[in-house]
Amino acid sequence: GQQLNQSPQSMFIQEGEDVSMNCTSSSIFNTWLWYKQEPGEGPVLLIALYKAGELTSNGRLTAQFGITRKDSFLNISASIPSDVGIYFCAGLAYNNNDMRFGAGTRLTVKP
Amino acid sequence: NAGVMQNPRHLVRRRGQEARLRCSPMKGHSHVYWYRQLPEEGLKFMVYLQKENIIDESGMPKERFSAEFPKEGPSILRIQQVVRGDSAAYFCASSPAPLVGNQPQHFGDGTRLSIL
Repeated sequence: GQQLNQSPQSMFIQEGEDVSMNCTSSSIFNTWLWYKQEPGEGPVLLIALYKAGELTSNGRLTAQFGITRKDSFLNISASIPSDVGIYFCAGLAYNNNDMRFGAGTRLTVKP
Repeated sequence: NAGVMQNPRHLVRRRGQEARLRCSPMKGHSHVYWYRQLPEEGLKFMVYLQKENIIDESGMPKERFSAEFPKEGPSILRIQQVVRGDSAAYFCASSPAPLVGNQPQHFGDGTRLSIL
């Protein structure tokens, strides 16, 4: 099945720093999504990408759908303490309804 | 996560008992998805249902696990004769139409199942 490799596994950064994380796949996806999950809660959608090459922003978050359709990255600029959480990438292949998730990037922001 | 309601939030069962997890989708959503999340891992797709129909159960174990989404009432994920390995967080998501149509998927806050 399609595997998503997400990196890094964890990040410890200082408040104000920029963050970058990415996902790669051995297969093509038609949709890439980025979610944030906080303890005891379900994932919350941050950004959805539907076209290869698409670059989309949501406040301090920017994500891109790789041109090969096999990768995506998420950047967070000027991190703040409330950015702490686990960030997951997810991909959806053509004509498919089972979304594949990466293993997550655990972000810690030190004030 | 407002809208998708899962209950119970926490469920403790002894080995061999049955676990029933409920999910009420967002209003107007007729498509429901169940995922399992083990500690330190991402969510793994289990099953996709549309009202009264199982559309894709390729991620669900063939034995002991079943899911339904009746015409009236919540979707139910049922685990019979639970074992320690079933301990996980189970998340439900819903959408107004199939995901292939670029429809957003909204998650509930999950049920944390612990097997003693």
